Amino acid sequence: AQTVTQSQPEMSVQEAETVTLSCTYDTSESDYYLFWYKQPPSRQMILVIRQEAYKQQNATENRFSVNFQKAAKSFSLKISDSQLGDAAMYFCAYRTPYNNNDMRFGAGTRLTVKP
Amino acid sequence: DSGVTQTPKHLITATGQRVTLRCSPRSGDLSVYWYQQSLDQGLQFLIQYYNGEERAKGNILERFSAQQFPDLHSELNLSSLELGDSALYFCASSVESFGADSPLHFGNGTRLTVT
Repeated sequence: AQTVTQSQPEMSVQEAETVTLSCTYDTSESDYYLFWYKQPPSRQMILVIRQEAYKQQNATENRFSVNFQKAAKSFSLKISDSQLGDAAMYFCAYRTPYNNNDMRFGAGTRLTVKP
Repeated sequence: DSGVTQTPKHLITATGQRVTLRCSPRSGDLSVYWYQQSLDQGLQFLIQYYNGEERAKGNILERFSAQQFPDLHSELNLSSLELGDSALYFCASSVESFGADSPLHFGNGTRLTVT
């Protein structure tokens, strides 16, 4: 079974600084996709970034980037120039076509941004 | 706006009762997923439908059932409700591809409170 682990229940960062959120996953599949979702206080689930396992290049979306280490099964999210609006729960997620494409989530990391 | 519509937004009911949550996926998406998020918890996968057929089951209780209709909207039925069923229930939809590279697009959720 595939599992997703986020070992940091809470993190905090100073506004304009950089923070990295950790995620590891366990799988025996070779074809899969990884995602980071953001859940602000409104409880909406917002896609932040995604990474294809077959791509070595790390995905980047503006201030958000990932450090994908396939051999280590690690998928961390780096937020640069943190803003107050980045405060939210962040969920790491895994998806593979070998398990009916359903998406499995980690327990989440609550990020606080200090002004 | 994700394009996924969930109704109602809030639902308050008593123990032992039965409720129905409704979801309309994004236009063109054939797959619908249901997730449960208890207070300050991660998302637990309940069930997945693809083009009207059940495709995968997660941690769904026997008291819960779902279906996807020919117009692709889906309903999640929760019966014999218990206090512990109080949670935020998300519906998500996705364009299916073998590569599982498309993300899930989430509705805003239905907050169920069982008293």
